[in-house]
Amino acid sequence: AQSVTQPDIHITVSEGASLELRCNYSYGATPYLFWYVQSPGQGLQLLLKYFSGDTLVQGIKGFEAEFKRSQSSFNLRKPSVHWSDAAEYFCAVGVNPTGFQKLVFGTGTRLLVSP
Amino acid sequence: DAGITQSPRHKVTETGTPVTLRCHQTENHRYMYWYRQDPGHGLRLIHYSYGVKDTDKGEVSDGYSVSRSKTEDFLLTLESATSSQTSVYFCAISDSPGGNTIYFGEGSWLTVV
Repeated sequence: AQSVTQPDIHITVSEGASLELRCNYSYGATPYLFWYVQSPGQGLQLLLKYFSGDTLVQGIKGFEAEFKRSQSSFNLRKPSVHWSDAAEYFCAVGVNPTGFQKLVFGTGTRLLVSP
Repeated sequence: DAGITQSPRHKVTETGTPVTLRCHQTENHRYMYWYRQDPGHGLRLIHYSYGVKDTDKGEVSDGYSVSRSKTEDFLLTLESATSSQTSVYFCAISDSPGGNTIYFGEGSWLTVV
């Protein structure tokens, strides 16, 4: 069955430091991959998505992610973290068992930014 | 932002009472979803709809029913609420059955006491 693993429940990064959030997926077919961000009390906002083509994907707010098929990974990166990036981040894989896409989510990684 | 409105945004209800959450969209998207979010579980799909009066179950559908009588509205009903249904509920929409982006509403916080 398809699944998404985000191994880090919490990560603390100093403001200005680089960030990498890990995501591994399990899915037999070509995956559609997404990263969403959720601020406290808010809904989910799409950061970026991968469907095909270039394996390095650029998103909003200076984020990027790299799809590595050999490692079944889709890690999220940002070169310099800002305090406003503190939020919860969700990786998701789009699955199409009957031609209808549904999202399977990881359990999320909460990012804390220290001064 | 996608035009998705969820109501109510916050609700406290008693065990055994019926509860209906409403999702209203102004994007005319065909596909609509209800997810629940719980700590340690991420988001899990409850039900989805691929058109008016066309709905199907997701992975955690027990205790929930849905209805879609108009393109713009997707209702989630808890027939007899239980404490295990205390959660944050998110509606989502998409204009494509595959490979396209799913947009989320801002959530409905439900507490069952």
